[in-house]
Amino acid sequence: AQSVTQLGSHVSVSEGALVLLRCNYSSSVPPYLFWYVQYPNQGLQLLLKYTTGATLVKGINGFEAEFKKSETSFHLTKPSAHMSDAAEYFCAVSPLRAGSARQLTFGSGTQLTVLP
Amino acid sequence: NAGVTQTPKFQVLKTGQSMTLQCAQDMNHEYMSWYRQDPGMGLRLIHYSVGAGITDQGEVPNGYNVSRSTTEDFPLRLLSAAPSQTSVYFCASSYPTGAGGPRGELFFGEGSRLTVL
Repeated sequence: AQSVTQLGSHVSVSEGALVLLRCNYSSSVPPYLFWYVQYPNQGLQLLLKYTTGATLVKGINGFEAEFKKSETSFHLTKPSAHMSDAAEYFCAVSPLRAGSARQLTFGSGTQLTVLP
Repeated sequence: NAGVTQTPKFQVLKTGQSMTLQCAQDMNHEYMSWYRQDPGMGLRLIHYSVGAGITDQGEVPNGYNVSRSTTEDFPLRLLSAAPSQTSVYFCASSYPTGAGGPRGELFFGEGSRLTVL
């Protein structure tokens, strides 16, 4: 079984400030971890992913996330927020297991607002 | 670069009516799935398919049927719509199961917004 918890359904930051979106997961097997972004009236698109190897993962638009196994966390950060970053962000987990049918479990989402 | 195409984008139904949400992908993905998105609940998996002729239930399958006669298409059927099925529905596809592609990376359509009165 696996689950994802995103702390904070709404996060507001000022333009130029640090963005920190929190994600904790539980998984009975080693996980693949993902962040997806959803802009208004659009589908989700992949922001970044952790599979194996380096625990600090860089994604598109200046975002990065660090896999911390001891903390079961995969928090998303960006050093300097831009107005165009305003969107909903979803953390997701998938089991790293041969034969998996790619069942992603999504968190409930965090709406990011960027203030001018 | 069509990717995943969903139709219709918007639909209003009355309780008890039936309808089909269409999903087509042109990336030769074996894996296809349907999610529903509700406020504060993230995305929940309804049904999925790992190839033509193979479908299985996800987390919230009740009230929905699917079939997969071709690799490209994966329609979602509501047999008797209920107000609880008011939601935004997303179709998503992924790389061939056995090819070692990025596990779990999904490609989403733009969504179908359904209202059941």
